[in-house]
Amino acid sequence: DTAVSQTPKYLVTQMGNDKSIKCEQNLGHDTMYWYKQDSKKFLKIMFSYNNKELIINETVPNRFSPKSPDKAHLNLHINSLELGDSAVYFCATGLAGYTGELFFGEGSRLTVL
Amino acid sequence: AQSVAQPEDQVNVAEGNPLTVKCTYSVSGNPYLFWYVQYPNRGLQFLLKYITGDNLVKGSYGFEAEFNKSQTSFHLKKPSALVSDSALYFCAVRDKNAGNYQLIWGAGTKLIIKP
Repeated sequence: DTAVSQTPKYLVTQMGNDKSIKCEQNLGHDTMYWYKQDSKKFLKIMFSYNNKELIINETVPNRFSPKSPDKAHLNLHINSLELGDSAVYFCATGLAGYTGELFFGEGSRLTVL
Repeated sequence: AQSVAQPEDQVNVAEGNPLTVKCTYSVSGNPYLFWYVQYPNRGLQFLLKYITGDNLVKGSYGFEAEFNKSQTSFHLKKPSALVSDSALYFCAVRDKNAGNYQLIWGAGTKLIIKP
């Protein structure tokens, strides 16, 4: 039973389309994150939710909108996709606090053509 | 400003030799330090962390890391490398004085273990 699961794993789409990536965790963690990993493998935090409340919202275009329907789910919706959105998007979870480690999903590779 | 530096983009080691992957950090308060590993086409996996106490921290897969406060470093080490250790390694830090739980990430170091 996968602890942090993301769907879809691969996503190929055209510029201008709208797409969503879903994340579900069964670890009972309070906090969920979306990270973007670019082609150079740099990791950039996009959003963080704690108990369904947005607590970190980095400089991300407002075409990206996270939604947390409950503590176990954090979805990412992207409008009007651009070439530069091509990346691997990782969902992660963790306990709130400074000392806890993060648990990552396997990633969703988005390719915008 | 808080930051993490991994000075080597790539580290090459022969199988059976000891390995070190370097990490230095800059935070204003007490650091909480982490190492993660990413195998190809996989998500990141937690390896080990330093919170307080003994400066030498042991983690998964035989890895360990040494916290050095004076040098602001947290280098990852393993006494004898395996080919299966080949992966991308990320160092990360949280700053207790930052007022939030955000992790600051290094750029990653690609570790290649040659048979």
